[in-house]
Amino acid sequence: QSALTQPASVSGSPGQSITISCTGTSSDVGGYNYVSWYQQHPGKAPKLMIYEVSNRPSGVSNRFSGSKSGNTASLTISGLQAEDEADYYCSSYTSSSTWVFGGGTKLTVL
Amino acid sequence: EVQLVESGGGLVQPGGSLRLSCAASGFTFSSYWMHWVRQAPGKGLVWVSRINSDGSSTNYADSVKGRFTISRDNAKNTLYLQMNSLRAEDTAVYYCARGATIFGVVIFAFDIWGQGTMVTVSS
Repeated sequence: QSALTQPASVSGSPGQSITISCTGTSSDVGGYNYVSWYQQHPGKAPKLMIYEVSNRPSGVSNRFSGSKSGNTASLTISGLQAEDEADYYCSSYTSSSTWVFGGGTKLTVL
Repeated sequence: EVQLVESGGGLVQPGGSLRLSCAASGFTFSSYWMHWVRQAPGKGLVWVSRINSDGSSTNYADSVKGRFTISRDNAKNTLYLQMNSLRAEDTAVYYCARGATIFGVVIFAFDIWGQGTMVTVSS
């Protein structure tokens, strides 16, 4: 199972919006609405930010939103804040009854 | 407080074995799927294995199939990962993670993570 494809890095200024893409195949991202997104600060455990493509867990800011079109899912962060600087990972359930993560995207807040 | 605490990591020689444990507290452990996810130093997250709530069903990544075994003891609220025939490429922080549910329905995401335990495979 190959990792989902994410850009290695994205950046934005405070207050701006950024979007991180996550591209898979019809056997994972395109085949299921089971895409989730995780935020990971250095040395910390990942934190669930989005589940089932576009749903936010309780306590996650509404500045975080998710979407999907075909085999590509996207995470958008609006109103960038310094605390958003972290690594972001997408994940999808697959047709093999396994899960696959993306390679991760480093978000830099300029 | 909902919590997962991993233990059992350490330094092991190639070809050796190690058993990781993950102690759960603050929730009804026996009601949730559980997963192991690993992260090599400076690298991304990689899903390793899943076990269903009663331990009757398991899944593995191809990279560990036949070498790793996931199991659980619901009476002890503990998840395990038995790792055999370890290789240098298994070196990573190993996280246990809870399979998320909404109103009891599995949503195929990971909502609670432990702090991780480091496994180093080296001679």
